[in-house]
Amino acid sequence: AQSVTQPDARVTVSEGASLQLRCKYSYFGTPYLFWYVQYPRQGLQLLLKYYPGDPVVQGVNGFEAEFSKSNSSFHLRKASVHWSDWAVYFCAVSIYNQGKLIFGQGTKLSIKP
Amino acid sequence: NSKVIQTPRYLVKGQGQKAKMRCIPEKGHPVVFWYQQNKNNEFKFLINFQNQEVLQQIDMTEKRFSAECPSNSPCSLEIQSSEAGDSALYLCASRGRREQYFGPGTRLTVL
Repeated sequence: AQSVTQPDARVTVSEGASLQLRCKYSYFGTPYLFWYVQYPRQGLQLLLKYYPGDPVVQGVNGFEAEFSKSNSSFHLRKASVHWSDWAVYFCAVSIYNQGKLIFGQGTKLSIKP
Repeated sequence: NSKVIQTPRYLVKGQGQKAKMRCIPEKGHPVVFWYQQNKNNEFKFLINFQNQEVLQQIDMTEKRFSAECPSNSPCSLEIQSSEAGDSALYLCASRGRREQYFGPGTRLTVL
């Protein structure tokens, strides 16, 4: 069955440090993958999307992600985090012929000053 | 930034009461989705529409949930008889090319 796993429920990094949030997926075929961010009391905002092609995709606010078919992963990265990145991050896979999204459990990112 | 509009932002109901929320998708997006996000950040797909027609929905065996997306009117999701377990954030999304854009959600609290 299709699924998404985010193994880290919480991550804390210092402001200015680099960041990696992990995402593993299980999907038959080539997936469409997404990272969304949710700020407190808000909906989901799309950070970036992967469609078959270049494995490294660029998103908003300096985020990028790398797709790896061999590792079934789609990790999110940022070179230098800012306090405004404090939020919950969700990885999701789109079910091709249905369109609905399957979400991971989310990773809560905290920033140390 | 998403242009999906959801109203109301907050909804408080007693058990057994009806709860209705609305969604206006982004212009030009023909496919609309409803998801439920609980307090543990677990998402449940509820239903989706394309041009007013239901594409897929969960097995709403309790028949308490209903939804529609009429032409030239907001889409809506209604819970006929609210239960405490329905307390959650209800998210509406509309789909562009393949990606989905979400509204701010309606937070339902059932007392």
